[in-house]
Amino acid sequence: QVQLQESGPGLVKPSETLSLTCTVSGGSVSSGSFFWTWIRQPPGKGLEWIGYIYSSGRTNINPFLKSRVTISIDTSKNQLSLRLTSVTAADTAIYYCARGRSGWLGSKPYNWFDPWGQGTLVTVSS
Amino acid sequence: QSVLTQPPSASGTPGQRVTISCSGTSSNIGSNTVNWYLQLPGTAPKLLMYSDDQRPSGVPDRFSGSKSGTSASLAISGLQSEDEAVYYCAALDDSLNGPDWVFGGGTKLTVL
Repeated sequence: QVQLQESGPGLVKPSETLSLTCTVSGGSVSSGSFFWTWIRQPPGKGLEWIGYIYSSGRTNINPFLKSRVTISIDTSKNQLSLRLTSVTAADTAIYYCARGRSGWLGSKPYNWFDPWGQGTLVTVSS
Repeated sequence: QSVLTQPPSASGTPGQRVTISCSGTSSNIGSNTVNWYLQLPGTAPKLLMYSDDQRPSGVPDRFSGSKSGTSASLAISGLQSEDEAVYYCAALDDSLNGPDWVFGGGTKLTVL
């Protein structure tokens, strides 16, 4: 059973860089059948997709965050990482990593995120 | 403000049938399949429905999904107290210069 666990500083100062790691257990980030994604949720608000990465290193980032976001993958450690630069209070959120999969169910496409990590709260404050 | 529109709240009594709506546009729901995620208090979201109407293994058949045009719905029949949670819809979005995946703002379901 695949499990994901986010880790990183819970407090980041404005204008600095937020760095998070997601450790995957019970499965391999090298699996070509899946991609790995980051999603965040500001306190009391909805979900925002940040970006995803395949084991090949191919990424796709939310255009609204693209200039500040880097997602990387370390197959030797079975981890993925998120780096968000020049943070502001608006970046305060619970950050989740999740496994994703896309494909076809007959003639109908499917894509989903499952499972998710438990999430880690990052607060941006001086 | 979320790209997909959901009612902020819904409620029902045990045993009742409740429906949660999700409205989008031709670039997301109108041209892609819809997923639903369930978030229990203090926990991470969990996949509840994918490809509009497919239940992952382990999800009771009390939950059903449907889609028509640019709107989707999640129905819960035989409502139980443990169904009290926040429900999010999600879909791919084909808009130029927009995010690949978009979510609804979430609907908090209260079991009275």
